[in-house]
Amino acid sequence: NAGVMQNPRHLVRRRGQEARLRCSPMKGHSHVYWYRQLPEEGLKFMVYLQKENIIDESGMPKERFSAEFPKEGPSILRIQQVVRGDSAAYFCASSSVVPQETQYFGPGTRLLVL
Amino acid sequence: QQQVKQSPQSLIVQKGGISIINCAYENTAFDYFPWYQQFPGKGPALLIAIRPDVSEKKEGRFTISFNKSAKQFSLHIMDSQPGDSATYFCAAFITYGQNFVFGPGTRLSVLP
Repeated sequence: NAGVMQNPRHLVRRRGQEARLRCSPMKGHSHVYWYRQLPEEGLKFMVYLQKENIIDESGMPKERFSAEFPKEGPSILRIQQVVRGDSAAYFCASSSVVPQETQYFGPGTRLLVL
Repeated sequence: QQQVKQSPQSLIVQKGGISIINCAYENTAFDYFPWYQQFPGKGPALLIAIRPDVSEKKEGRFTISFNKSAKQFSLHIMDSQPGDSATYFCAAFITYGQNFVFGPGTRLSVLP
């Protein structure tokens, strides 16, 4: 009965490279949420997805960031042309259809941009 | 309106004492208020949650008090233990909606 899984746990990229973060929700969960946490700060909502659909991306930066949750496979958060300011912990959470608000978090991916 | 304010930023409590963390919100559409506990290097874990139709919810040593008219809610940790030392986040959600707002967090240290 695995929880939310994220990989990699740590990712180092140089400025200008691409970062791909993966999230496998809990079994039976069809809702995925991505959050960003800067050091010593709280969680900032980025995007909410259901299978094959982006429901709300109001927290996503307009450029370089994208997310998907395909019918098969994990959800992907993609950051193109990373900059130092992208260095943060990125958390994925999932929930079942009902109740939607009970979100279970993964261990996070810590991205470091050199 | 989408903010959740949380205080204090940090809190030091002696073992056996009561830890109290307060949160306030503006948007009356919020209808679900969870608290998350996060240990260093880990993801947040749901601790306890409340809906605005009740004024208090207790689970073990953890209690949420909710004041709908004041738009405030708080977490009380009774008989605080060193193992409770973590960062605590309050949050406000709109059920079946798309609004998930977290407070900035409170770093709790319980001294042995």
